[in-house]
Parts: sequence; C-alpha cells; structure tokens
Amino acid sequence: AQKITQTQPGMFVQEKEAVTLDCTYDTSDQSYGLFWYKQPSSGEMIFLIYQGSYDEQNATEGRYSLNFQKARKSANLVISASQLGDSAMYFCAMREGEGGAQKLVFGQGTRLTINP
Amino acid sequence: ETGVTQSPTHLIKTRGQQVTLRCSSQSGHNTVSWYQQALGQGPQFIFQYYREEENGRGNFPPRFSGLQFPNYSSELNVNALELDDSALYLCASSLKTGVSEKLFFGSGTQLSVL
Repeated sequence: AQKITQTQPGMFVQEKEAVTLDCTYDTSDQSYGLFWYKQPSSGEMIFLIYQGSYDEQNATEGRYSLNFQKARKSANLVISASQLGDSAMYFCAMREGEGGAQKLVFGQGTRLTINP
Repeated sequence: ETGVTQSPTHLIKTRGQQVTLRCSSQSGHNTVSWYQQALGQGPQFIFQYYREEENGRGNFPPRFSGLQFPNYSSELNVNALELDDSALYLCASSLKTGVSEKLFFGSGTQLSVL
C-alpha cells in the first residue's frame, strides 16, 4: 500500500500567489514524522519543513507552513507569496517509529512551476 | 549548501560491471543513508549506516553494499549492474537517528547503465 500519496503531478501558479501542495499518508504508528523536501534541477534534496505526529501546532518555516490534519492523515505544504525560484519538484516524506533505521518514505512528488 | 558532497556527479557503466559511489557527510554526522531515485519517482531507501555498521536496509538485493568510514565518508557499491540500476543515487547524513532528525542530502550521482 502506498504510504505517501501526492495526487498532483504538476502545479502551475502565478508569481506572488500562495500555493498548496497536497500530501496524504498512511501509518499505524503513533510516533512518526512528516517532512517536505524541495528538489531543484540540480538534484539536491533541500529540507523545507518538519511536523511531528505529537506536535499540536502546525509547523512554519518562513514562507512555508504545513497544514497538518492528523485525523485525515494529511500534511499539505503551503507556500505563501510564491517566487520564481520556488519552481522545482516537491516531495512529501514520512519517517515511522523511534527505533532502528530511520528511513524516509517519499511520495511521487509534485512539479511546481511558478509563472512570472 | 548542505555540506554533503558526492562523487562523481555522473557515471556511465555497462551491464555486468561494478561501480563505487562516494559520499562525504557533514562533520560530526554519524548516520548516513543511501537512496535510489529513478526518473520521475521519489527516492527509495537502500540502506543506512550508523557508526560504521549497517542498521537497516530497504528492498534491495545484496549486490548493493556499503561502507562507512570514521572520517564521515561512505561508499555505495553495486555489483553486476543491471539496466534498471540507472538512477540518481542520493546520499544523506544526519547527526543521529530519531524520528525528527532531518536528513541533509547531497546533489547525487547520476548513474547510467548501458
């Protein structure tokens, strides 16, 4: 079963608009972490934001915020005031549990294009 | 700039050959993970090393192996290359294991198997 689902293969947004990238996840663990990474054409995965399963408040990092709805198992990324440099692939990822190898499970990604 | 460097950036091999990919982690990071990213897909976990020992592996065959060294460098070795091994290979390091630990990724090695 798919652990992380990103239903938007591509998104096109005008510069300065806000954009929401969708992510739903599937886990039976009580302790887990949700991450968003940005991957520009250079290939490097750039950490954007983290949300822990026990965090009561939605995470924010500058222009990035995470809309965490635990009961619906969704962790959408919101980018406010989009910029041309935001054009990239965006991946939602999850890490489960506390012990052993802390692997990240990634979704298929969303390609975001910001138009001037 | 994540402080994680990978070499080489690009590599072309033929089926059946062996390849070694290298990664230099951030200083002090004792955990390194390797991921395979096929074209148009999200990265998939290969394995993780913690203090020079493998402590977890994804769904990859034994011909994928690794090493981690005390100087924060590591290697991914792939034997008997297959066409499907063509992908971007990403190395990621972190200070320790833990559900909230963020990974710092390198820019990857693009491997093409002909």
